[in-house]
Amino acid sequence: QSVLTQPPSVSEAPRQRVTISCSGSSSNIGNNAVNWYQQLPGKAPKLLLYYDDLLPSGVSDRFSGSKSGTSASLAISGLQSEDEADYYCAAWDDSLNGRVFGTGTKVTVL
Amino acid sequence: EVQVLESGGGLVQPGGSLRLSCTASGFTFSIYAMNWVRQAPGKGLEWVSTISGSGGTTYYADSVKGRFTISRDNAKNTLFLQMSSLRAEDTAVYYCTKEMTSGSFLVADPFDLWGQGTMVTVSS
Repeated sequence: QSVLTQPPSVSEAPRQRVTISCSGSSSNIGNNAVNWYQQLPGKAPKLLLYYDDLLPSGVSDRFSGSKSGTSASLAISGLQSEDEADYYCAAWDDSLNGRVFGTGTKVTVL
Repeated sequence: EVQVLESGGGLVQPGGSLRLSCTASGFTFSIYAMNWVRQAPGKGLEWVSTISGSGGTTYYADSVKGRFTISRDNAKNTLFLQMSSLRAEDTAVYYCTKEMTSGSFLVADPFDLWGQGTMVTVSS
């Protein structure tokens, strides 16, 4: 059972904006950076955002991240069909002394 | 090309053992911490274990502690996961991942390289 909670699914029309939340606690998000991963259907996950809001080289600037307190968010603007995927947040948990992933969110482009 | 390639997955009976390998290429393997992450069929990602670049520091998820052992051979650019006392709930695709930052282990560091995974099925 994951300690980081995400909505199971979000959907929106093309060219619109969606936001995915990741809710944790003071032992993980509240005290450590959050990273986000994108998993396209049938593929291995890929790093999407790191250290709360930084974009790896090659990742579209339509993706952005933020964090406040014990919650983090991933926003996708200008939604495209290629963005249909599962998205996971992740952070270190001081109490568990290990990494934790979020429950995952499936993004559907209507 | 920078890549990691997992091998060693397969079908094993409950209570059995299996050793996974991950061969790295295209980067200086010994200066990066490495990890195993798994994904049960139709489920989300679960972090399994982390090992520092030198191999001197390891971390495990509670679900595998005492049953799995992570290790590495820096001379052969290879990461291992020795799995024993396997259970049905260990059935998953196991991914090998590389940390982004070289040198000292950083708890917040992201995984910037993932392999394609190797499937482990625990069933009688």
